[in-house]
Amino acid sequence: KAGVTQTPRYLIKTRGQQVTLSCSPISGHRSVSWYQQTPGQGLQFLFEYFSETQRNKGNFPGRFSGRQFSNSRSEMNVSTLELGDSALYLCASRTGTEGSQYFGPGTRLLVL
Amino acid sequence: QKEVEQDPGPLSVPEGAIVSLNCTYSNSAFQYFMWYRQYSRKGPELLMYTYSSGNKEDGRFTAQVDKSSKYISLFIRDSQPSDSATYLCAMSAYSGNTPLVFGKGTRLSVIA
Repeated sequence: KAGVTQTPRYLIKTRGQQVTLSCSPISGHRSVSWYQQTPGQGLQFLFEYFSETQRNKGNFPGRFSGRQFSNSRSEMNVSTLELGDSALYLCASRTGTEGSQYFGPGTRLLVL
Repeated sequence: QKEVEQDPGPLSVPEGAIVSLNCTYSNSAFQYFMWYRQYSRKGPELLMYTYSSGNKEDGRFTAQVDKSSKYISLFIRDSQPSDSATYLCAMSAYSGNTPLVFGKGTRLSVIA
């Protein structure tokens, strides 16, 4: 079974731009979560989608948004990028009925 | 007080040593506990998943949960240089519909 895939793997943007990241979950998994990972803060939860609905939301500003499609694929969007948004963005999927999550390789975003 | 505390290390041990990694937590509602391993520039990989208190063994890895002390551990026997990575603990209150809360990770180096 294929794992979680994320595209693109690397991205360089400038302040003020917006970015869209994509995640394809493991086949059969209906839940997709997004995390931001930085050296200082560790893994911070952004939001989780289950069956196209946002089920949980972390404590991030509204510039961070997401959506999930009927095939469970998910996208995350960050508008008006700031330097502090530079991070590894990780997507994780699970079936939705049990706790363990499986992570993708991440998208490394650098904001200049 | 953070919900999950984890000593960031770095922890350096000789090959063949027994490694002990630990996390403490404050939320007594946590019931599901996980350990992830993250290699540099990769996404976290699920190592162990346990429910409630007790021990779980998988090869060279043993996970222990002590809910009365709000303390979880991961033991690695006969450590190998390939075990060099960052180890993250994670936990949640319910099985499938609550976000995971992560520790910041402990960086482990196993020296040949």
